[in-house]
Amino acid sequence: GNSVTQMEGPVTLSEEAFLTINCTYTATGYPSLFWYVQYPGEGLQLLLKATKADDKGSNKGFEATYRKETTSFHLEKGSVQVSDSAVYFCALGGLQSGGTSYGKLTFGQGTILTVHP
Amino acid sequence: DTGVSQDPRHKITKRGQNVTFRCDPISEHNRLYWYRQTLGQGPEFLTYFQNEAQLEKSRLLSDRFSAERPKGSFSTLEIQRTEQGDSAMYLCASSPGGPGKYGYTFGSGTRLTVV
Repeated sequence: GNSVTQMEGPVTLSEEAFLTINCTYTATGYPSLFWYVQYPGEGLQLLLKATKADDKGSNKGFEATYRKETTSFHLEKGSVQVSDSAVYFCALGGLQSGGTSYGKLTFGQGTILTVHP
Repeated sequence: DTGVSQDPRHKITKRGQNVTFRCDPISEHNRLYWYRQTLGQGPEFLTYFQNEAQLEKSRLLSDRFSAERPKGSFSTLEIQRTEQGDSAMYLCASSPGGPGKYGYTFGSGTRLTVV
């Protein structure tokens, strides 16, 4: 079946450090890939997405590149801030097979990021 | 556009009672999704609607769970004879089309505690 595996957390960094959160996936067809973020006490928000191989999604200084050859979509940021402390979820969906787009997203287990001043 | 609204935000119920949650999606979104999230886990798919039609249900959705979207606008999720294992955050999301292109907009969720 379809699945998403994220690096184990929690991740603790100092402000201005470089961030990488690994995400790999298993899917049939050609999924779109997403990163969602959940700040404390809030709902999940779409952070960025990529819809085909080699696409790069970016938002708020975060980036992720859709790597079909390694089935990966790692999240990176060059210099994290305290305000980036949140839970980050990788997800896949919108699978295309024979022209049909499937409705649901499949999420990873989430990675807790804590950034200290 | 007020986003996706869920009601109530919190619900505490005794085991064996029935509960119902409501979701109001973004008005122009024709797709509506229900997910369940437990502590330390990612959201797990329960079911989704395109307009009023329920197109897919997860095996997680036992016969105690039922969801409706009668006029293709708001949706309700009912859990009958609640069990302690039903304690979770229930999330609703909507999208204007296939999520591969648009992603989801999530509501803030309803936290259910079964005591």
